[in-house]
Amino acid sequence: DAKTTQPNSMESNEEEPVHLPCNHSTISGTDYIHWYRQLPSQGPEYVIHGLTSNVNNRMASLAIAEDRKSSTLILHRATLRDAAVYYCILRSPLSSGSARQLTFGSGTQLTVLP
Amino acid sequence: DGGITQSPKYLFRKEGQNVTLSCEQNLNHDAMYWYRQDPGQGLRLIYYSQIVNDFQKGDIAEGYSVSREKKESFPLTVTSAQKNPTAFYLCASSLAANTGELFFGEGSRLTVL
Repeated sequence: DAKTTQPNSMESNEEEPVHLPCNHSTISGTDYIHWYRQLPSQGPEYVIHGLTSNVNNRMASLAIAEDRKSSTLILHRATLRDAAVYYCILRSPLSSGSARQLTFGSGTQLTVLP
Repeated sequence: DGGITQSPKYLFRKEGQNVTLSCEQNLNHDAMYWYRQDPGQGLRLIYYSQIVNDFQKGDIAEGYSVSREKKESFPLTVTSAQKNPTAFYLCASSLAANTGELFFGEGSRLTVL
């Protein structure tokens, strides 16, 4: 199964942009890149996802490399409420009737400094 | 409001006891998942279900059991065979397995005394 690699931790100053990287060098053509974030003692929440083109929503932007082997989650103006663990995962449609198993790595702990 | 509900939020049990964690969703999702999270770690998949009356083992299924008799419900039983059951348990659902956004519950924290 395709896996992702993220830095363990990153820091950002409040109201500055944050770029969270993710490497997925073994990504397949049908894998969608998903990002989730998890606040302490809560379940993860969806942030954004994409396949090939860059994506924007109210929470963040997702920049996907042309070869799709890496992607970057962009928070345009970090706030203290953005401090969380960010997970980058790959999700792929069913293949031959069996679903890919879905595991989250350790993610990136984002600290936002006031 | 549509969403996914886990209960109880906190649970204590003695060693040797089985315990069942509830997960209910009203999103009309076909796929449901159970994850375990240990302190400072990511999420590991225990079991998942693509459709009613069907489920498959994830990476760490030993000592756990599930059922999927109704589309909206996917309870997880932590049996006495699970050697280190103290953990944070998360249930999730999605429209279909491996496609679409995952919706998570707020989690159930199990402590074995």
